[in-house]
Amino acid sequence: AQKVTQAQTEISVVEKEDVTLDCVYETRDTTYYLFWYKQPPSGELVFLIRRNSFDEQNEISGRYSWNFQKSTSSFNFTITASQVVDSAVYFCALSEARRDDKIIFGKGTRLHILP
Amino acid sequence: DAGVTQSPTHLIKTRGQQVTLRCSPKSGHDTVSWYQQALGQGPQFIFQYYEEEERQRGNFPDRFSGHQFPNYSSELNVNALLLGDSALYLCASSLHPRDRAEKLFFGSGTQLSVL
Repeated sequence: AQKVTQAQTEISVVEKEDVTLDCVYETRDTTYYLFWYKQPPSGELVFLIRRNSFDEQNEISGRYSWNFQKSTSSFNFTITASQVVDSAVYFCALSEARRDDKIIFGKGTRLHILP
Repeated sequence: DAGVTQSPTHLIKTRGQQVTLRCSPKSGHDTVSWYQQALGQGPQFIFQYYEEEERQRGNFPDRFSGHQFPNYSSELNVNALLLGDSALYLCASSLHPRDRAEKLFFGSGTQLSVL
């Protein structure tokens, strides 16, 4: 069965600190996709990144970086030099290749960036 | 270019009533998916519509039904409302049902409260 676990329910950091959001997943498929989404207070989910199971390269996009480790079934997300605008709920998600149009979301991590 | 629009933004109903939520996909998109997001939870897939037919369905009872119109807009209907149906209902659109979930575009949702 597929499952996404985000153990951190809520995190608060002071602006300019770095913060890492953890994500652990379970799937029986060898081909799958992992995602991160951001949900600001306005409610819509904003796509941040997709990774496929064959691409373990870490990725950096500005202040955002992602660490994908198949050995530990983790796909962690780091925000460097956090800003108040980063305050949101962040969801890690998984889709399997057989059902690549259906996403399974974790419960999310609420991130507070304090000025 | 309008994104995904949902109406109404908020709705209050009582137990046993029926409700209809509406979604207009992003311009050029022909596939609509619906998600339920309970408080403090990640979104859960309800169903997906393409070519006016339900293509995929999540683990939701038959009280949840939908429709897609020729202009690709969609409705979500919930009958015999229960208190547990209180949630944010998100609509997402994509270019094609076989497109991977990476670029789903989400609306801001309809907040349904059942009293």
